Amino acid sequence: QKEVEQNSGPLSVPEGAIASLNCTYSDRGSQSFFWYRQYSGKSPELIMSIYSNGDKEDGRFTAQLNKASQYVSLLIRDSQPSDSATYLCALNRDDKIIFGKGTRLHILP
Amino acid sequence: NAGVMQNPRHLVRRRGQEARLRCSPMKGHSHVYWYRQLPEEGLKFMVYLQKENIIDESGMPKERFSAEFPKEGPSILRIQQVVRGDSAAYFCASSPGPNPPYEQYFGPGTRLTVT
Repeated sequence: QKEVEQNSGPLSVPEGAIASLNCTYSDRGSQSFFWYRQYSGKSPELIMSIYSNGDKEDGRFTAQLNKASQYVSLLIRDSQPSDSATYLCALNRDDKIIFGKGTRLHILP
Repeated sequence: NAGVMQNPRHLVRRRGQEARLRCSPMKGHSHVYWYRQLPEEGLKFMVYLQKENIIDESGMPKERFSAEFPKEGPSILRIQQVVRGDSAAYFCASSPGPNPPYEQYFGPGTRLTVT
């Protein structure tokens, strides 16, 4: 089983709708979880981090963590064309960050 | 700009040559991480360094690859005798320390092309 699993997509969402991105992980010892956004040809950009079970909101973004189910998600409200990118789910293992392969999100104008 | 800096942004090398990639961490950050992203692949951890110390190099290929972070100057990832399979984007990230929240911030990357 991969440490961090994501559906590769593409996930197509109409502009203005809610985009829901999901991620599962295998290591129950992981404590810190991250969502990075990566535009094509660019570097990853940290958009959310979450450490406790429950929801964490920041603007249009909400991260959700369920450690019992080993599940992390990212909701993007009022999706904009500029949100079209690959979203990388990641977690810490010891001193390194382990990334999933990412989900490609396409916002339809 | 206080962000992570990397240079060069693009590097072309012929097979057998050496590639040197540089990374200056974000101001106030003393921990540097190198990652490699192959085409259509995820980001893979390579090495974690602090000033003058390699902390974790478990992701580094055993041969041809080395990294350093001297007391003065940028961190350097060095690839000797490059092969076509080394063509990838190499990203450097930095953090203020190893303690939680472990947030790492990425530089723009170096795109290495081996011809």
